[in-house]
Amino acid sequence: GQNIDQPTEMTATEGAIVQINCTYQTSGFNGLFWYQQHAGEAPTFLSYNVLDGLEEKGRFSSFLSRSKGYSYLLLKELQMKDSASYLCAVGSRASNYQLIWGAGTKLIIKP
Amino acid sequence: GAGVSQSPSNKVTEKGKDVELRCDPISGHTALYWYRQRLGQGLEFLIYFQGNSAPDKSGLPSDRFSAERTGESVSTLTIQRTQQEDSAVYLCASSASTGEGYTFGSGTRLTVV
Repeated sequence: GQNIDQPTEMTATEGAIVQINCTYQTSGFNGLFWYQQHAGEAPTFLSYNVLDGLEEKGRFSSFLSRSKGYSYLLLKELQMKDSASYLCAVGSRASNYQLIWGAGTKLIIKP
Repeated sequence: GAGVSQSPSNKVTEKGKDVELRCDPISGHTALYWYRQRLGQGLEFLIYFQGNSAPDKSGLPSDRFSAERTGESVSTLTIQRTQQEDSAVYLCASSASTGEGYTFGSGTRLTVV
């Protein structure tokens, strides 16, 4: 079957670094996405990984290891506005290439 | 359009009434998805349209829920005989093709009283 796991909630301090992990099980992997969702708003695209390695985009980076079924989202120089839920989603042939969504990680930033 | 447009943004309805939610995807996006999100919960897949193929209705929770899409344009999600458990945000998303990233609309917040 297909499964995506990510922590339910994390807390970090303003200015610090936080790593949000996502593990997945699927067949016919076709890419992994990270989305950000502020409370009461729609999810917005952050990053996409299809090959192993690190993709850096400003303060946010995303890493993928296909052999381990593992990804992480790294947020640096945390700001209060980074308080949000972070959703991991995986596309695969098994799901007819639809994205399968994790339940999201609620990130709380403290001053 | 420039983004995914959903209407209404908020809907309060009485238990037992029917409601219709509308989604206007990004022009040219062949794939369209409906999700439900209850307060503090993750995304719950409802239905998926891809071009002129038969829709994937596997996520619809009951026969009170139905959706239509004409070609590659507007989609409507209809909930008949609404129940309080239907209260949630209904999100629509579209993508250029299956397997590509989704762009979400702002959602319709449905409250059944």
